Amino acid sequence: AQSVTQLGSHVSVSEGALVLLRCNYSSSVPPYLFWYVQYPNQGLQLLLKYTSAATLVKGINGFEAEFKKSETSFHLTKPSAHMSDAAEYFCAVSANAGNMLTFGGGTRLMVKP
Amino acid sequence: EAGVAQSPRYKIIEKRQSVAFWCNPISGHATLYWYQQILGQGPKLLIQFQNNGVVDDSQLPKDRFSAERLKGVDSTLKIQPAKLEDSAVYLCASSSGLASYNEQFFGPGTRLTVL
Repeated sequence: AQSVTQLGSHVSVSEGALVLLRCNYSSSVPPYLFWYVQYPNQGLQLLLKYTSAATLVKGINGFEAEFKKSETSFHLTKPSAHMSDAAEYFCAVSANAGNMLTFGGGTRLMVKP
Repeated sequence: EAGVAQSPRYKIIEKRQSVAFWCNPISGHATLYWYQQILGQGPKLLIQFQNNGVVDDSQLPKDRFSAERLKGVDSTLKIQPAKLEDSAVYLCASSSGLASYNEQFFGPGTRLTVL
């Protein structure tokens, strides 16, 4: 069985501030981990993925995430928030044959001017 | 390259009515997924196809939901009869294969409101 917990359903930061969105996972086998972003009335877009290569993963739009096995975490960060980063962010895990994703509950990021 | 297409984008129905959603995946993608996203929650997988065969439908409420992918390309998801709790966004996704490193590409979704 696999599960994902995203701490903080809403996160608010000022423009230019550090973005930190938290994700913890549970998996009985080595997982693949993903971060997706969802803008209003749109589908999900992949930001980045961890597939057991480098533990620090760089994605699009300046985002990155670090896989920490000892903490079962895969937190998403960005050094400087832009207004355009305001969206819903979902962490997901795939730890089974068949590429079936289990998503966390999501974190809505708000960016203040 | 065209993305995943879904229609309709919005649908409003009365409870106990029937509704169907359509999905056209990215060309050449063998694997197709239907997710249900209730407001304020993450997407939940309903059913997964590999070509025209079902890989997993363990979370599909089979008493009212059905899905098919007859020719291994387009897919339809049907709800009959609909309940109030079916109000959600239904997302279709596709990927090139079953391996966990294959990216899933999502369509814009169909927002269903059941009154």
